[in-house]
Amino acid sequence: QKEVEQDPGPLSVPEGAIVSLNCTYSNSAFQYFMWYRQYSRKGPELLMYTYSSGNKEDGRFTAQVDKSSKYISLFIRDSQPSDSATYLCAMKTSYDKVIFGPGTSLSVIP
Amino acid sequence: EADIYQTPRYLVIGTGKKITLECSQTMGHDKMYWYQQDPGMELHLIHYSYGVNSTEKGDLSSESTVSRIRTEHFPLTLESARPSHTSQYLCAHSQGDEQFFGPGTRLTVL
Repeated sequence: QKEVEQDPGPLSVPEGAIVSLNCTYSNSAFQYFMWYRQYSRKGPELLMYTYSSGNKEDGRFTAQVDKSSKYISLFIRDSQPSDSATYLCAMKTSYDKVIFGPGTSLSVIP
Repeated sequence: EADIYQTPRYLVIGTGKKITLECSQTMGHDKMYWYQQDPGMELHLIHYSYGVNSTEKGDLSSESTVSRIRTEHFPLTLESARPSHTSQYLCAHSQGDEQFFGPGTRLTVL
């Protein structure tokens, strides 16, 4: 079993839809959770960072962490074609290296 | 504003050639990383460094080597490239938990 599982998609939604991206993990020691966005032929860039259970909102993006279920989510409201990218979840313990999920490919259709 | 640079962006070479992938950052961060990423797959850490003259192998075994003689520079070398080395190589740096990625080098070995 991989430490971090993520549905690779691809996920295709119409413009304006609410998108839900999810990851599950097996290591209960993970404390820091991140979402990266990676456009085609570019390096990943950090989108959201959280270190506690609950929700964190930044504009159209909301990151949700449920440590009891070992489950994290990223919600995108009013999705735009410019949101089309691969979204990678990432997490780490307090002392170890970052572990990345395989990413979910998202296409937002105008 | 780019603060991490990778060259070349694309490289096609023949089997047996020695190559060096360059990575430089201008933030003065101590921590730097090399990841390998195949299409649709997760990032695999192949090398990391926590400062000058410090290098460690990552989770994925790699035939490449790295050096860290200067804080800003973290080159990766393949002594004899093979088709199995064909992949995208991403360099990153960090100070805290957030990693800042370069644009990547897409390597094809014929």
